Amino acid sequence: QSVLTQPPSVSAAPGQKVTISCSGSSSNIGNNYVSWYQQLPGTAPKLLIYDNNKRPSGIPDRFSGSKSGTSATLGITGLQTGDEADYYCGTWDSSLSAGGVFGGGTKLTVL
Amino acid sequence: QVQLQESGPGLVKPSQTLSLTCTVSGGSISSGDYYWSWIRQPPGKGLEWIGYIYYSGSTYYNPSLKSRVTISVDTSKNQFSLKLSSVTAADTAVYYCAREYSSTPSYYMDVWGKGTTVTVSS
Repeated sequence: QSVLTQPPSVSAAPGQKVTISCSGSSSNIGNNYVSWYQQLPGTAPKLLIYDNNKRPSGIPDRFSGSKSGTSATLGITGLQTGDEADYYCGTWDSSLSAGGVFGGGTKLTVL
Repeated sequence: QVQLQESGPGLVKPSQTLSLTCTVSGGSISSGDYYWSWIRQPPGKGLEWIGYIYYSGSTYYNPSLKSRVTISVDTSKNQFSLKLSSVTAADTAVYYCAREYSSTPSYYMDVWGKGTTVTVSS
């Protein structure tokens, strides 16, 4: 069971918008920044969003991130079939079981 | 740009020690701005952070794996390594090395290796 909670799957049609939620607690999301990763089938994860809402160079502005309290959200607009992937949120957990933590991942299907 | 490449045996017997190395190219492991980490992903499952090392040798491990994990660094070779002892089938996974930025409250992995599959089986 993952420390951060994500929906197992989401789906939307090409061109539409989708959001993926990530829920945590005060020991992780509540006091640290959130990052998001995209994992295309058979490949390594790729950093999509860091520090809650910043995009690394080369990541299109169709991808956005936000955080409120102990939850974070990844938004993807103008969905493309190439966006079909697993998406993970991550952060640092400062509890007694401290360390890097991830959500369980969300499978995005572009119908 | 910085690239990471994992290497090591793809098959390990139960109760033995899993050993992997990550070679860093395109940049120095001693840059000081980053930590160097290991993450794993069991088949069909999510990501699990194993731990990280700083170029100075200081480490931090996932509490659930701490008793079995050792991460070391060789700055002369620009490499860092993972050892996981007493492995079982539950340790079968794709193992990734990554460059990790950690400066509270900011935390993320911005460069990942391609991953290497390790199977624990007799």
